Amino acid sequence: GAVVSQHPSRVICKSGTSVKIECRSLDFQATTMFWYRQFPKQSLMLMATSNEGSKATYEQGVEKDKFLINHASLTLSTLTVTSAHPEDSSFYICSARDGATPDTQYFGPGTRLTVL
Amino acid sequence: SQKIEQNSEALNIQEGKTATLTCNYTNYSPAYLQWYRQDPGRGPVFLLLIRENEKEKRKERLKVTFDTTLKQSLFHITASQPADSATYLCALDPRGGKLIFGQGTELSVKP
Repeated sequence: GAVVSQHPSRVICKSGTSVKIECRSLDFQATTMFWYRQFPKQSLMLMATSNEGSKATYEQGVEKDKFLINHASLTLSTLTVTSAHPEDSSFYICSARDGATPDTQYFGPGTRLTVL
Repeated sequence: SQKIEQNSEALNIQEGKTATLTCNYTNYSPAYLQWYRQDPGRGPVFLLLIRENEKEKRKERLKVTFDTTLKQSLFHITASQPADSATYLCALDPRGGKLIFGQGTELSVKP
């Protein structure tokens, strides 16, 4: 099946620093990738939709200058949390859509971000 | 307002029994609905997709029903096993290419 990887799996950083998270589709080309955030015991909340070669589309209430998304190739999207603060601590999950099965999203294993 | 709701209380059942999880939605007309499994500290894993014109779909011990009149989907795991213990998420596509997730139901299967 389609595999999506994320790196790093865990990151701890100091307040004010920036953190980059990578999302890769390993065995398929993903024209669209999605970034979600999940707080403990809560559902996944969509942050943005990323299309290869174009600007990401952000959901209402998500600051695009704070959460920079780049989708430079059909297999890689990155999320950079700029000037991170403790309230940005969360579980960040990406997903990718395979053109062959466009109704299905394949999720990465997630990245646990802790901002001290 | 638009909502998608799952049983918020954890479901505890005995091994071998059938687990039934519920997903209700309001003010959506989804083209399809999906069910995912999520283990602690992990990303969701896709299980089943059911389209608006399908009433039921099966995959091994899993069965999903979709009632667009009641705006409800039921997810069944037959002959449940302790390894089935996880949080199960329903998600729907409100016809925009995105997925909207329910809050998930935690299932615990006791040996």
